[in-house]
Amino acid sequence: HLQLQESGPGLVKPSETLSLTCTVSGDSIRSTTYYWGWIRQPPGKGLEWIGSVYSTGKTHSSPSLKSRVTISVDTSNNRFSLSLSSVTAADTAVYFCARLSRSLVLVPAATFFDYWGQGALVTVSS
Amino acid sequence: DIQMTQSPSSLSASVGDRVTITCRASQSISSYLNWYQQKSGKAPKLLIYGASSLQSGVPSRFSGSGSGTDFTLTITSLQPEDFATYFCQQSYSTPLFTFGPGTKVDIK
Repeated sequence: HLQLQESGPGLVKPSETLSLTCTVSGDSIRSTTYYWGWIRQPPGKGLEWIGSVYSTGKTHSSPSLKSRVTISVDTSNNRFSLSLSSVTAADTAVYFCARLSRSLVLVPAATFFDYWGQGALVTVSS
Repeated sequence: DIQMTQSPSSLSASVGDRVTITCRASQSISSYLNWYQQKSGKAPKLLIYGASSLQSGVPSRFSGSGSGTDFTLTITSLQPEDFATYFCQQSYSTPLFTFGPGTKVDIK
């Protein structure tokens, strides 16, 4: 049974770097089938995709966050990580990690986030 | 960038009601549209992918339809556990994704 678990500091000071790790259990992050992603949700607001990473380390990031985002993968420990630099109060959110799957119900394949972590609240405050 | 909108932003319904939520894309996204359900304090749960394919384990009272720019999520007979917020998400521009703003379904 696949499980994802976010971990990291719950409080980050403005201008510093937010760092989170997602540990995957029940599946290998080395799988060539999946990407792994980060999504965030400010309190009371909607969902925002941050970026995704493949087992090879190839990444894609939201254009609005790209200059501040680093996503990496650690296949030895079956986990992937997010770093978001120069944070402000606007970066306060619940951060979710998720598995990005695909299905050939459509061609090219349909892609979707099918497994999610429980989420980690990160507050940016001095 | 592909922008997603949803309507209504919220609705009140009773158990047993048929509920319809609409999602619109700013440009054609073919059938690359997913639906998620989120309950308070929980992670989103995938309901529908590829506009109309039901995710494994999701009750058949949930269905999705549409293509191009206009999509619909229908719950045929609302159950108590269905009170939640529903989000659409486009995957046409994979590997870049955008979500709709959400529709909150609460008890009338």
